[in-house]
Amino acid sequence: EAQVTQNPRYLITVTGKKLTVTCSQNMNHEYMSWYRQDPGLGLRQIYYSMNVEVTDKGDVPEGYKVSRKEKRNFPLILESPSPNQTSLYFCASSLYRAGTGELFFGEGSRLTVL
Amino acid sequence: GEDVEQSLFLSVREGDSSVINCTYTDSSSTYLYWYKQEPGAGLQLLTYIFSNMDMKQDQRLTVLLNKKDKHLSLRIADTQTGDSAIYFCAESYTGTASKLTFGTGTRLQVTL
Repeated sequence: EAQVTQNPRYLITVTGKKLTVTCSQNMNHEYMSWYRQDPGLGLRQIYYSMNVEVTDKGDVPEGYKVSRKEKRNFPLILESPSPNQTSLYFCASSLYRAGTGELFFGEGSRLTVL
Repeated sequence: GEDVEQSLFLSVREGDSSVINCTYTDSSSTYLYWYKQEPGAGLQLLTYIFSNMDMKQDQRLTVLLNKKDKHLSLRIADTQTGDSAIYFCAESYTGTASKLTFGTGTRLQVTL
């Protein structure tokens, strides 16, 4: 089954404790991206990657890191989480081809930073 | 930069039509999309329209585009309780995923 898988789905952590949210897709998509969803703000892009070893900042990259060592995986790293990073996070992937614009989303990871 | 705006909430009765509206600022937008987010899930593409079209119909869904006013709408006919979700408008001038700008989302509540 074609899917984007994120883990963990739910996480409660404390300020400053490094964490990683994993994302994996099985559709051989070139493009992958991380978003955060906050009430009244919609979806905001954190980082994206157009292919292996190619990553770029989105609209709200501060406090996050990413890597793309393999095509299927795109982990999101919070080196020192803070309470303002409490949010619902989505990983998404797509074929990078004009006219598709279709993003395939994971089910989301709800992160609470105390 | 690009800006996409939507009202936050819409409530309709089952069987009625729903109309969700969206305005965007980027006149070079060439692709406009509607995504649906069901409770506890990620977003899924519902439909999209190219900027050279005025209307697109797909079963119960009708998308209308007024390019002059930069206004996009999604009409759902015979709204069902299963249509309760958050609907996101998104635009892109390239049609590629990396240049998608999402609106704030409209929560549709369907009442009996």
